[in-house]
Amino acid sequence: EAGVTQSPTHLIKTRGQQATLRCSPISGHTSVYWYQQALGLGLQFLLWYDEGEERNRGNFPPRFSGRQFPNYSSELNVNALELEDSALYLCASSLAWGTGGRYSNQPQHFGDGTRLSIL
Amino acid sequence: EDKVVQSPLSLVVHEGDTVTLNCSYEVTNFRSLLWYKQEKKAPTFLFMLTSSGIEKKSGRLSSILDKKELFSILNITATQTGDSAIYLCAVSGSGYALNFGKGTSLLVTP
Repeated sequence: EAGVTQSPTHLIKTRGQQATLRCSPISGHTSVYWYQQALGLGLQFLLWYDEGEERNRGNFPPRFSGRQFPNYSSELNVNALELEDSALYLCASSLAWGTGGRYSNQPQHFGDGTRLSIL
Repeated sequence: EDKVVQSPLSLVVHEGDTVTLNCSYEVTNFRSLLWYKQEKKAPTFLFMLTSSGIEKKSGRLSSILDKKELFSILNITATQTGDSAIYLCAVSGSGYALNFGKGTSLLVTP
Protein backbone atom coordinates (compact mmCIF):
# COMPACT_ATOMS: atom_id res chain seq x y z
CA GLU A 1 0.00 0.00 0.00
CA ALA A 2 1.43 3.37 -0.97
CA GLY A 3 2.02 5.81 1.84
CA VAL A 4 1.40 9.55 1.88
CA THR A 5 3.19 11.15 -1.05
CA GLN A 6 4.25 14.78 -1.26
CA SER A 7 5.67 16.87 -4.07
CA PRO A 8 7.97 18.50 -4.76
CA THR A 9 10.68 17.19 -2.46
CA HIS A 10 12.43 20.52 -2.40
CA LEU A 11 11.26 23.98 -3.42
CA ILE A 12 13.36 27.11 -3.59
CA LYS A 13 11.65 30.50 -3.75
CA THR A 14 12.44 34.12 -3.10
CA ARG A 15 10.72 36.52 -0.73
CA GLY A 16 7.33 37.69 -1.93
CA GLN A 17 6.75 34.76 -4.26
CA GLN A 18 4.03 32.14 -3.90
CA ALA A 19 4.54 28.41 -3.27
CA THR A 20 2.26 25.44 -3.90
CA LEU A 21 2.86 22.13 -2.18
CA ARG A 22 0.96 18.94 -2.99
CA CYS A 23 -0.08 15.87 -1.02
CA SER A 24 -1.72 12.55 -1.89
CA PRO A 25 -3.13 10.67 1.09
CA ILE A 26 -3.08 6.95 1.73
CA SER A 27 -5.81 5.23 -0.27
CA GLY A 28 -9.03 5.25 1.72
CA HIS A 29 -8.00 8.16 3.94
CA THR A 30 -10.19 11.23 3.62
CA SER A 31 -8.63 13.49 6.26
CA VAL A 32 -5.51 15.44 5.32
CA TYR A 33 -3.46 17.54 7.74
CA TRP A 34 -0.63 19.99 7.07
CA TYR A 35 2.16 20.74 9.55
CA GLN A 36 5.17 23.05 9.50
CA GLN A 37 8.45 21.84 11.01
CA ALA A 38 10.75 24.83 11.33
CA LEU A 39 14.20 24.55 12.86
CA GLY A 40 13.98 24.70 16.64
CA LEU A 41 10.21 24.99 16.74
CA GLY A 42 8.97 21.44 16.35
CA LEU A 43 5.94 20.42 14.34
CA GLN A 44 3.14 22.98 14.29
CA PHE A 45 -0.35 22.35 12.97
CA LEU A 46 -1.39 24.37 9.95
CA LEU A 47 -4.60 23.04 8.40
CA TRP A 48 -6.99 20.08 8.43
CA TYR A 49 -9.21 19.09 5.50
CA ASP A 50 -11.84 16.41 5.31
CA GLU A 51 -14.42 15.76 2.62
CA GLY A 52 -13.24 18.82 0.75
CA GLU A 53 -13.84 21.20 3.63
CA GLU A 54 -11.42 23.03 5.90
CA ARG A 55 -12.19 21.66 9.38
CA ASN A 56 -9.63 23.50 11.47
CA ARG A 57 -6.61 25.75 11.11
CA GLY A 58 -3.69 26.50 13.36
CA ASN A 59 -2.29 29.82 14.45
CA PHE A 60 -0.91 30.90 11.07
CA PRO A 61 -1.68 34.00 8.99
CA PRO A 62 -4.23 33.87 6.15
CA ARG A 63 -1.49 33.79 3.51
CA PHE A 64 -1.28 30.08 4.39
CA SER A 65 -4.22 28.43 2.67
CA GLY A 66 -5.10 25.24 0.91
CA ARG A 67 -7.75 23.06 -0.50
CA GLN A 68 -8.75 19.44 -0.84
CA PHE A 69 -9.84 17.92 -4.12
CA PRO A 70 -12.60 15.36 -4.76
CA ASN A 71 -9.98 12.57 -4.84
CA TYR A 72 -8.90 13.71 -1.32
CA SER A 73 -5.51 14.97 -2.44
CA SER A 74 -4.63 18.38 -1.13
CA GLU A 75 -2.49 21.38 -1.84
CA LEU A 76 -1.03 23.98 0.48
CA ASN A 77 -0.50 27.49 -0.85
CA VAL A 78 1.75 30.02 0.80
CA ASN A 79 1.53 33.56 -0.54
CA ALA A 80 3.88 36.49 -0.05
CA LEU A 81 6.68 34.23 1.14
CA GLU A 82 8.83 35.42 4.02
CA LEU A 83 12.24 34.18 5.13
CA GLU A 84 10.76 32.58 8.25
CA ASP A 85 8.55 30.37 6.06
CA SER A 86 11.65 28.26 5.36
CA ALA A 87 10.78 24.87 6.86
CA LEU A 88 9.86 21.27 6.20
CA TYR A 89 6.16 21.04 5.39
CA LEU A 90 4.67 17.70 6.32
CA CYS A 91 1.37 16.29 5.18
CA ALA A 92 -0.44 13.56 7.10
CA SER A 93 -3.56 11.56 6.38
CA SER A 94 -5.95 9.49 8.45
CA LEU A 95 -9.19 7.63 8.24
CA ALA A 96 -12.12 9.80 9.22
CA TRP A 97 -14.18 7.04 10.77
CA GLY A 98 -13.26 4.75 13.65
CA THR A 99 -15.06 2.44 16.04
CA GLY A 100 -16.19 5.50 17.99
CA GLY A 101 -17.75 7.17 14.97
CA ARG A 102 -16.68 10.06 12.76
CA TYR A 103 -13.36 11.59 13.71
CA SER A 104 -12.89 9.06 16.50
CA ASN A 105 -9.27 8.34 17.26
CA GLN A 106 -7.31 7.40 14.18
CA PRO A 107 -3.53 7.77 13.88
CA GLN A 108 -2.14 10.23 11.38
CA HIS A 109 0.43 8.91 8.93
CA PHE A 110 3.00 11.29 7.51
CA GLY A 111 4.66 11.82 4.15
CA ASP A 112 8.33 12.68 3.66
CA GLY A 113 7.59 16.38 3.39
CA THR A 114 8.52 19.26 1.13
CA ARG A 115 11.56 21.31 2.11
CA LEU A 116 10.73 24.94 1.32
CA SER A 117 13.71 27.28 1.22
CA ILE A 118 13.21 31.03 0.92
CA LEU A 119 16.16 33.05 -0.36
CA GLU B 1 -3.19 26.74 25.54
CA ASP B 2 -2.37 23.09 24.83
CA LYS B 3 1.14 22.07 25.83
CA VAL B 4 3.31 18.97 25.35
CA VAL B 5 6.70 18.72 27.07
CA GLN B 6 9.17 15.95 26.38
CA SER B 7 12.21 15.01 28.41
CA PRO B 8 15.05 14.59 28.13
CA LEU B 9 15.67 16.65 24.99
CA SER B 10 18.61 14.44 24.07
CA LEU B 11 20.08 11.18 25.24
CA VAL B 12 23.18 9.15 24.38
CA VAL B 13 23.25 5.47 25.37
CA HIS B 14 25.21 2.34 24.52
CA GLU B 15 23.77 -0.53 22.55
CA GLY B 16 21.89 -2.89 24.86
CA ASP B 17 20.83 -0.20 27.31
CA THR B 18 17.20 0.43 28.22
CA VAL B 19 15.85 3.95 27.81
CA THR B 20 12.75 5.71 29.08
CA LEU B 21 11.43 8.78 27.30
CA ASN B 22 8.93 11.06 29.01
CA CYS B 23 6.02 13.12 27.77
CA SER B 24 3.79 15.35 29.90
CA TYR B 25 0.84 17.27 28.53
CA GLU B 26 -1.91 19.78 29.15
CA VAL B 27 -4.71 19.68 26.60
CA THR B 28 -8.35 20.65 26.38
CA ASN B 29 -10.64 17.63 25.96
CA PHE B 30 -7.93 14.98 25.66
CA ARG B 31 -8.61 12.44 22.92
CA SER B 32 -5.37 10.51 22.42
CA LEU B 33 -1.59 10.57 22.81
CA LEU B 34 0.64 9.35 20.01
CA TRP B 35 4.32 8.48 19.72
CA TYR B 36 6.27 8.84 16.48
CA LYS B 37 9.85 8.05 15.42
CA GLN B 38 11.51 10.53 13.04
CA GLU B 39 14.75 9.45 11.41
CA LYS B 40 15.20 11.55 8.31
CA LYS B 41 11.93 13.00 7.13
CA ALA B 42 8.58 11.32 7.70
CA PRO B 43 7.61 10.71 11.34
CA THR B 44 6.71 7.03 11.59
CA PHE B 45 3.73 6.09 13.76
CA LEU B 46 4.58 3.94 16.78
CA PHE B 47 1.67 3.95 19.25
CA MET B 48 -1.65 5.61 19.98
CA LEU B 49 -2.83 5.62 23.60
CA THR B 50 -6.28 6.56 24.75
CA SER B 51 -6.78 4.75 28.06
CA SER B 52 -4.80 4.95 31.27
CA GLY B 53 -2.77 2.02 32.47
CA ILE B 54 -2.96 -0.12 29.34
CA GLU B 55 0.50 -0.86 28.00
CA LYS B 56 1.02 -0.98 24.27
CA LYS B 57 3.91 -3.11 23.02
CA SER B 58 5.67 -3.62 19.73
CA GLY B 59 8.83 -5.68 19.90
CA ARG B 60 11.31 -3.90 22.13
CA LEU B 61 9.18 -0.76 22.37
CA SER B 62 6.38 -0.21 24.84
CA SER B 63 4.36 2.75 26.06
CA ILE B 64 1.85 3.56 28.76
CA LEU B 65 -0.40 6.50 29.56
CA ASP B 66 -1.39 8.02 32.90
CA LYS B 67 -4.39 10.29 32.33
CA LYS B 68 -4.59 11.29 35.99
CA GLU B 69 -1.01 12.57 36.14
CA LEU B 70 -1.09 13.67 32.46
CA PHE B 71 2.00 11.90 31.19
CA SER B 72 3.20 9.02 29.10
CA ILE B 73 6.45 7.08 28.85
CA LEU B 74 8.04 5.29 25.94
CA ASN B 75 10.42 2.46 26.84
CA ILE B 76 12.97 0.93 24.53
CA THR B 77 14.76 -2.18 25.79
CA ALA B 78 17.98 -3.68 24.43
CA THR B 79 18.60 -0.59 22.29
CA GLN B 80 20.22 -0.94 18.86
CA THR B 81 21.97 1.64 16.68
CA GLY B 82 18.90 1.59 14.43
CA ASP B 83 16.88 3.06 17.29
CA SER B 84 18.81 6.33 16.89
CA ALA B 85 16.19 8.92 15.94
CA ILE B 86 14.07 11.73 17.26
CA TYR B 87 11.07 10.45 19.20
CA LEU B 88 8.04 12.70 19.06
CA CYS B 89 5.10 12.77 21.44
CA ALA B 90 1.85 14.34 20.24
CA VAL B 91 -1.53 14.88 21.84
CA SER B 92 -4.90 15.26 20.16
CA GLY B 93 -7.51 17.44 21.82
CA SER B 94 -10.73 19.18 20.91
CA GLY B 95 -9.37 20.51 17.60
CA TYR B 96 -8.42 17.03 16.33
CA ALA B 97 -5.02 18.31 15.22
CA LEU B 98 -1.87 16.96 16.85
CA ASN B 99 0.08 19.13 19.28
CA PHE B 100 3.67 17.97 19.25
CA GLY B 101 6.42 18.19 21.82
CA LYS B 102 9.90 19.20 20.67
CA GLY B 103 11.07 15.61 20.68
CA THR B 104 13.80 13.57 22.34
CA SER B 105 16.89 12.99 20.23
CA LEU B 106 18.23 9.50 20.98
CA LEU B 107 21.69 8.39 19.90
CA VAL B 108 22.63 4.75 20.43
CA THR B 109 26.37 4.13 20.17
CA PRO B 110 27.92 0.74 19.32
